Amino acid sequence: AQSVTQLDSHVSVSEGTPVLLRCNYSSSYSPSLFWYVQHPNKGLQLLLKYTSAATLVKGINGFEAEFKKSETSFHLTKPSAHMSDAAEYFCVVSEPSGYSTLTFGKGTMLLVSP
Amino acid sequence: ETGVTQTPRHLVMGMTNKKSLKCEQHLGHNAMYWYKQSAKKPLELMFVYSLEERVENNSVPSRFSPECPNSSHLFLHLHTLQPEDSALYLCASSQDKDPGYGYTFGSGTRLTVV
Repeated sequence: AQSVTQLDSHVSVSEGTPVLLRCNYSSSYSPSLFWYVQHPNKGLQLLLKYTSAATLVKGINGFEAEFKKSETSFHLTKPSAHMSDAAEYFCVVSEPSGYSTLTFGKGTMLLVSP
Repeated sequence: ETGVTQTPRHLVMGMTNKKSLKCEQHLGHNAMYWYKQSAKKPLELMFVYSLEERVENNSVPSRFSPECPNSSHLFLHLHTLQPEDSALYLCASSQDKDPGYGYTFGSGTRLTVV
């Protein structure tokens, strides 16, 4: 069985400061890992994904995440927050199966202040 | 637009009504999904269709009835819903059997049951 734990329900940063959203996972297999973002009243947009290639993954809008197998972590970072980054972020794990099914974390709300 | 279109965007219905949610994708994907997103809860997988066959039904009450007439369209038929069914219903699609591909989500239908 697979699971995902997002360690913070809310993260508050000031514009221009770094962002760190934490995620730990549990998986019986070599997982695929994703980060999705959801802006208010919108669907989920894929930010980046890890699929057993490079452990440092770069995504859209300046976000990146590092897969650390020894720590079972996949934290999301960005060097400098923008106001437009304010949204809810979901860490997601997927294991190989006959069809792709994803397990979502509970989400982290990122608040960005001027 | 993500390539997955959901209609309507908002729906208010009484507990005795019958309505349907529609999802359409033109990405060439062969798997489609219904998710329920309620406040303060992780995304819940409801149904999975792979190659137009239902492959998963996660203990969803029978008042929710999915239909997948072809690989591009997915419906969720609703009848005699309860107030606790009020939520954001998200449709997604993927290329089956490729967990690294990730899902493409629609913008969702915000359902309110009164």
